[in-house]
Amino acid sequence: DAGITQSPRHKVTETGTPVTLRCHQTENHRYMYWYRQDPGHGLRLIHYSYGVKDTDKGEVSDGYSVSRSKTEDFLLTLESATSSQTSVYFCAISNPGGGTDTQYFGPGTRLTVL
Amino acid sequence: SQQGEEDPQALSIQEGENATMNCSYKTSINNLQWYRQNSGRGLVHLILIRSNEREKHSGRLRVTLDTSKKSSSLLITASRAADTASYFCATDYQGGSEKLVFGKGMKLTVNP
Repeated sequence: DAGITQSPRHKVTETGTPVTLRCHQTENHRYMYWYRQDPGHGLRLIHYSYGVKDTDKGEVSDGYSVSRSKTEDFLLTLESATSSQTSVYFCAISNPGGGTDTQYFGPGTRLTVL
Repeated sequence: SQQGEEDPQALSIQEGENATMNCSYKTSINNLQWYRQNSGRGLVHLILIRSNEREKHSGRLRVTLDTSKKSSSLLITASRAADTASYFCATDYQGGSEKLVFGKGMKLTVNP
């Protein structure tokens, strides 16, 4: 299995609080992605990174920000969590060849916003 | 918006039978991938097929791609209870190769 960890694995928070999710990889892959998975919507891209300090928006980026200060870490921040951000969040990394190659997924973080 | 759409959304079969899942997409692609997700776990890559390929095999998996119809199919032969999972197709866009767009997924149940 690709060396990808996500922390925390579960989190319950209240509306309006900031939340940061961490994705850590040991594979030295250039590309990292954050997705959210919701029933009826499948997997949707939030943000992705194509290198240290290089990030771009995905399909559902509103309300989220990201940072990548090191190759191995990609942080997803909800500045002020809302109930609509209750979801399962997955991090993924991809081969050095870029996003058109295989993506390897982390175990996911289940976030509940009350 | 979703690029790929799996069909059927759910399939229930008996162990030993073959399972066929279809994926249709909207725009031209560079490649199409299939992923599996066991309940509560992350997605696992199964197979990648490029736009200039028509068929690809990996163990009990067979994937076909018809770019003229913008569709792909995943065939799992001699299914096992362990194949019970959700299956997703994912495509890129010819004009945007850094991202994959996933379908909503389909649920396969293999009954022992």
